[in-house]
Amino acid sequence: QQPVQSPQAVILREGEDAVINCSSSKALYSVHWYRQKHGEAPVFLMILLKGGEQKGHEKISASFNEKKQQSSLYLTASQLSYSGTYFCGTEWGGSEKLVFGKGTKLTVNP
Amino acid sequence: KAGVTQTPRYLIKTRGQQVTLSCSPISGHRSVSWYQQTPGQGLQFLFEYFSETQRNKGNFPGRFSGRQFSNSRSEMNVSTLELGDSALYLCASSSRRVSTGELFFGEGSRLTVL
Repeated sequence: QQPVQSPQAVILREGEDAVINCSSSKALYSVHWYRQKHGEAPVFLMILLKGGEQKGHEKISASFNEKKQQSSLYLTASQLSYSGTYFCGTEWGGSEKLVFGKGTKLTVNP
Repeated sequence: KAGVTQTPRYLIKTRGQQVTLSCSPISGHRSVSWYQQTPGQGLQFLFEYFSETQRNKGNFPGRFSGRQFSNSRSEMNVSTLELGDSALYLCASSSRRVSTGELFFGEGSRLTVL
């Protein structure tokens, strides 16, 4: 089942912060985050695993609340290069299948 | 090292035709997964192949099929094309199963069905 991302779109000025949320109706084993810039391929940001392990880029932070079946991606002191569409992908226990949400479009203006 | 290569990058077909898309993963990667991307729908999972075996399949009709060769290269085929099949088809490779590893995406094959 497709996870729900919120907000669908957000516009920021450089230096502002943003939070992108991802929620699922099923118990999650892992949450993955990707960013896709216009006309480009999605690029890996982070994996959060049940139990607290995280793998990803140092400048990106995220949380994974297993009980609430939610994950949040934190973008602080945003830069122009952060603009793009952010996708969360979720895997519920045992499925070994990664299902992506519809994406959150982030625009950072000067 | 070379990234994921998808061919063709663009193609135009008419309803009823079939199409085959190709994906060459990063050397050493055994997992190849396919996604359909349309505006507003995000990345819809089609299927994953690992070591030549289909490991998982999304909710797409049987017109969508795929395979993986011994060198890990993968193809997907769509038969009897419909207008709604117009989309960007993305291939991703990983050294591990999709759910546990970082995915490396290709730039996609953009299919237009007229």
